[in-house]
Amino acid sequence: AQTVTQSQPEMSVQEAETVTLSCTYDTSENNYYLFWYKQPPSRQMILVIRQEAYKQQNATENRFSVNFQKAAKSFSLKISDSQLGDTAMYFCAFSNYGQNFVFGPGTRLSVLP
Amino acid sequence: GAGVSQSPSNKVTEKGKDVELRCDPISGHTALYWYRQSLGQGLEFLIYFQGNSAPDKSGLPSDRFSAERTGGSVSTLTIQRTQQEDSAVYLCASSFGSSYNSPLHFGNGTRLTVT
Repeated sequence: AQTVTQSQPEMSVQEAETVTLSCTYDTSENNYYLFWYKQPPSRQMILVIRQEAYKQQNATENRFSVNFQKAAKSFSLKISDSQLGDTAMYFCAFSNYGQNFVFGPGTRLSVLP
Repeated sequence: GAGVSQSPSNKVTEKGKDVELRCDPISGHTALYWYRQSLGQGLEFLIYFQGNSAPDKSGLPSDRFSAERTGGSVSTLTIQRTQQEDSAVYLCASSFGSSYNSPLHFGNGTRLTVT
């Protein structure tokens, strides 16, 4: 069974600074997808970024980028130029071709003014 | 187009009563998932539908929980004889299914409070 671990329950960052959230996972599969989701206080889960395991190039979406290390089974999220609106719970998720999505326990990020 | 719709958004019920939670996925999405999220916690997988069938029911916590999906669209999650530990936010999500690189699209959830 796949597992996803996020070792940082809470983090904080000053506005405009950069922060990195950690995620590791365990799987015996070779092909899979990884995602970061954001859940602000409104409770709506929003997709931030996704990565296909067969792609070596790290995904980027504006201020959000990932550091995908397949051999180490690591998938960290970097947020550059942090904004107050980035304050949220961030969940790392693993998908075995959509048959199931396994989520990590989440990291609560606070962006401080 | 419309996103994933869940109703009701909030539900307060007395212990021992049955409740039904509804999820209306995005049109064309064949896969549908139910998760439970306790206050400040992560997402606990409950059940997954591909079309109308449920290949994975492994997450349902007890036989008081059941779910169905009809017409490859709307799904209902039923909790019988509710207990206080059932209090949580129940999230529904849909996607294009296992054949595609399709992320989950979530509804806003139903907050269930059992008194």
